[in-house]
Amino acid sequence: EIVLTQSPGTLSLSPGERATLSCRAGQSVDNNYLAWYQQKPGQPPRLLIYGASRRSTGIPDRFSGSGSGTDFTLTISRLEPEDFAVYYCQQYATSPPRFTFGPGTKVDRK
Amino acid sequence: QVQLVESGGGVVQPGRSLRLSCAASGFTFRSSAMHWVRQAPGKGLEWVALISYDGSNKFYADSVRGRFTISRDNSKKMLYLQMNSLTTEDTAMYYCARVQEGSWYGEDGFDVWGQGTTVIVSS
Repeated sequence: EIVLTQSPGTLSLSPGERATLSCRAGQSVDNNYLAWYQQKPGQPPRLLIYGASRRSTGIPDRFSGSGSGTDFTLTISRLEPEDFAVYYCQQYATSPPRFTFGPGTKVDRK
Repeated sequence: QVQLVESGGGVVQPGRSLRLSCAASGFTFRSSAMHWVRQAPGKGLEWVALISYDGSNKFYADSVRGRFTISRDNSKKMLYLQMNSLTTEDTAMYYCARVQEGSWYGEDGFDVWGQGTTVIVSS
């Protein structure tokens, strides 16, 4: 099973600042099948990025994903008040099909 | 609109069983693989199980294999999770989720989630 590690655990920033979140896999992620989700308290997760860098429908362009192999990054170019949340990365291993989530990074207000 | 609504959660004693349901609407359910994902209180997300669009293929996390069974009824647009031999470690919010359209098993992520149903395993 591929283990995902996210850093930092908590990121304290102010609105308007840039957020850089890291997700590292214990081994190479098949075909860059790496997704990012945002979760706010009391809500289900929301898909932001898939395929490491492709924005899901309706996601603002301040969210961007990058990386390949074992190292991936989610960047929020300028934090909006609604962006303070927990962010999870997720990978898909193809054979056999398995999904793993990282432990999450909390972005909170400084 | 596209919607998933889970039900069936509750408080159950260790060793007992529970069946969760997920009602789908607003999309072609029979064309989508589906998943169950859970989240223990205050913890992160854990993938539980996957079922292919036609129910012919099923895959499970190691933590639930042999105890949980995922199934679906495409005529009713329903997804199920039969949970047996429950332990306190199974206490969580359980979400059903749809794979993004065009995706086979979820390689492009899960784009629609229900609000979840809570399972508490306690004596």
